Amino acid sequence: EPEVTQTPSHQVTQMGQEVILRCVPISNHLYFYWYRQILGQKVEFLVSFYNNEISEKSEIFDDQFSVERPDGSNFTLKIRSTKLEDSAMYFCASSEGVSGTQETQYFGPGTRLLVL
Amino acid sequence: AQSVTQPDIHITVSEGASLELRCNYSYGATPYLFWYVQSPGQGLQLLLKYFSGDTLVQGIKGFEAEFKRSQSSFNLRKPSVHWSDAAEYFCAVGARAGNNRKLIWGLGTSLAVNP
Repeated sequence: EPEVTQTPSHQVTQMGQEVILRCVPISNHLYFYWYRQILGQKVEFLVSFYNNEISEKSEIFDDQFSVERPDGSNFTLKIRSTKLEDSAMYFCASSEGVSGTQETQYFGPGTRLLVL
Repeated sequence: AQSVTQPDIHITVSEGASLELRCNYSYGATPYLFWYVQSPGQGLQLLLKYFSGDTLVQGIKGFEAEFKRSQSSFNLRKPSVHWSDAAEYFCAVGARAGNNRKLIWGLGTSLAVNP
């Protein structure tokens, strides 16, 4: 069964460093998402992406964040200058479309980011 | 405002017992509703979803959920819990604005299963 994959599974970085989190969505999916889950808090929407541009972003998704689909398979989240409060589990998701059951989002295993 | 509430932060049941996890939502239109499960060290796996039609939906691993519009609820049930069901369970509502989609999540319910 097709699945969303994410790399790395864990990332430790120093405050102020740039990190890139990588995702490979399900191959026939057209919509891509990033969410994060800070320990003990709700899963939060960060950004959605379609047709090589951002569809929607949350207030969390400030100028330090960017997303890119550099080729036909990868979908990346870059944090330009990490802060302590960026420590979280980051989930990538994809969906086939935005109509009916096509809206169902399928998630990757997550990347646990720790900023020291 | 759009929101999802899972009133029970932690639940413990005995193996073989029945289970019901509560979920209440606040959403202005007809909701699309989801339950996901997160096992320790794992990602978010879709258990089941409701879009329309029959208000009782069946999912994987023997789970089912019932959409009750009058109560704004989408409770998850399982008649007989297995030790492997111990995990974190998340209810989510699909928020829609034009072609934009995002999931709004509850805080989750942590399920422990006693042997």
